[in-house]
Amino acid sequence: QQQVKQSPQSLIVQKGGISIINCAYENTAFDYFPWYQQFPGKGPALLIAIRPDVSEKKEGRFTISFNKSAKQFSLHIMDSQPGDSATYFCAARQSGSRLTFGEGTQLTVNP
Amino acid sequence: NAGVMQNPRHLVRRRGQEARLRCSPMKGHSHVYWYRQLPEEGLKFMVYLQKENIIDESGMPKERFSAEFPKEGPSILRIQQVVRGDSAAYFCASSQQGQASYEQYFGPGTRLTVT
Repeated sequence: QQQVKQSPQSLIVQKGGISIINCAYENTAFDYFPWYQQFPGKGPALLIAIRPDVSEKKEGRFTISFNKSAKQFSLHIMDSQPGDSATYFCAARQSGSRLTFGEGTQLTVNP
Repeated sequence: NAGVMQNPRHLVRRRGQEARLRCSPMKGHSHVYWYRQLPEEGLKFMVYLQKENIIDESGMPKERFSAEFPKEGPSILRIQQVVRGDSAAYFCASSQQGQASYEQYFGPGTRLTVT
């Protein structure tokens, strides 16, 4: 019940395209859903996060869509750039507790 | 405006030796979390600490692993008698107290190689 399932495992997008990464969870006690971006050899960097009382959050080219009834959330990267090429992790957290991570999506944006 | 600091960045140990990984949280943060990342995998929670207290260690292996966050100084993750399977990247994250405590910020990690 603590799992977060992430798809796809890898994604190739052309420059200027939209990258979409999906996550699903089971634990209805999760109350915070962040996305992290990780470059090779670096630590995960907090990108954007959402709480379940909101259905969408947008920050620049990054948007989280949240569907509470389906227990799913997704990251959309608009106008994808080669510099966005990285591994993206969704995560979920129960208040006052640790993050449970998805398995990651390796995004490649071709120039 | 220093972020989460971890050292060493790279650590090589022979089987049977001890590894000590250090983490200094962001200024103003009093909660520390340790995660482990195996090659090509996601991050797995290990332990959650506040100053002088272990809050949740449900992700820690029962043997050889321990963690502390003393009143003064960094948080320490200690691995005794390392084995090859301990080779991984170990990340520390920190967060604030209170309602703003949702955000966890990660350090650059310590990459442990056991030979």
